[in-house]
Amino acid sequence: KAGVTQTPRYLIKTRGQQVTLSCSPISGHRSVSWYQQTPGQGLQFLFEYFSETQRNKGNFPGRFSGRQFSNSRSEMNVSTLELGDSALYLCASSLRGGWDYNEQFFGPGTRLTVL
Amino acid sequence: AQSVTQLDSHVSVSEGTPVLLRCNYSSSYSPSLFWYVQHPNKGLQLLLKYTSAATLVKGINGFEAEFKKSETSFHLTKPSAHMSDAAEYFCVVSDQGGTSYGKLTFGQGTILTVHP
Repeated sequence: KAGVTQTPRYLIKTRGQQVTLSCSPISGHRSVSWYQQTPGQGLQFLFEYFSETQRNKGNFPGRFSGRQFSNSRSEMNVSTLELGDSALYLCASSLRGGWDYNEQFFGPGTRLTVL
Repeated sequence: AQSVTQLDSHVSVSEGTPVLLRCNYSSSYSPSLFWYVQHPNKGLQLLLKYTSAATLVKGINGFEAEFKKSETSFHLTKPSAHMSDAAEYFCVVSDQGGTSYGKLTFGQGTILTVHP
């Protein structure tokens, strides 16, 4: 079974631009979560989607948004990029993302650099 | 609310000696607990998970962790370190209740160095 895939793997943008990252979960997984990883803040939860609905959101500004499609693929968008948005963005999928001990499987990440 | 503290940012061991990576957690509900490993320029890989079936959890590559509710700890151990174990390790908690859907809370990570 194929793992979680993320595209693109690397991105370079300039301040003020916007960016869209894509994540394809493992087949059959319906929950997709997004995380930001930086050296200073570590791994932080952005949001989670299940059946095209955002069920949970972390403490990030409204410039960070996402969506999920009917095939469970997910995208996240960052508008008006700032230097501090430079990070590794990780996507993870799980069967249901609920309270029943479903572990999350992570993709390789998208490395975003904002100049 | 859920939180996790990894007590050591760096651990250095010699090949063949035991490994101990320490983790304390806080959870408002019965927690799910995990250890993930991240090798340089690689994604996160699940080492093991606590599911409440047994307090001693066995994972891949010879790693184990013991859930101690009274101490709110979930330390990771391995009897004998291998050079390939050098990586960053994350202790992770997830509340089994409240509004924690799909949210994992990560510790700050412990970088494990293995010397020949």
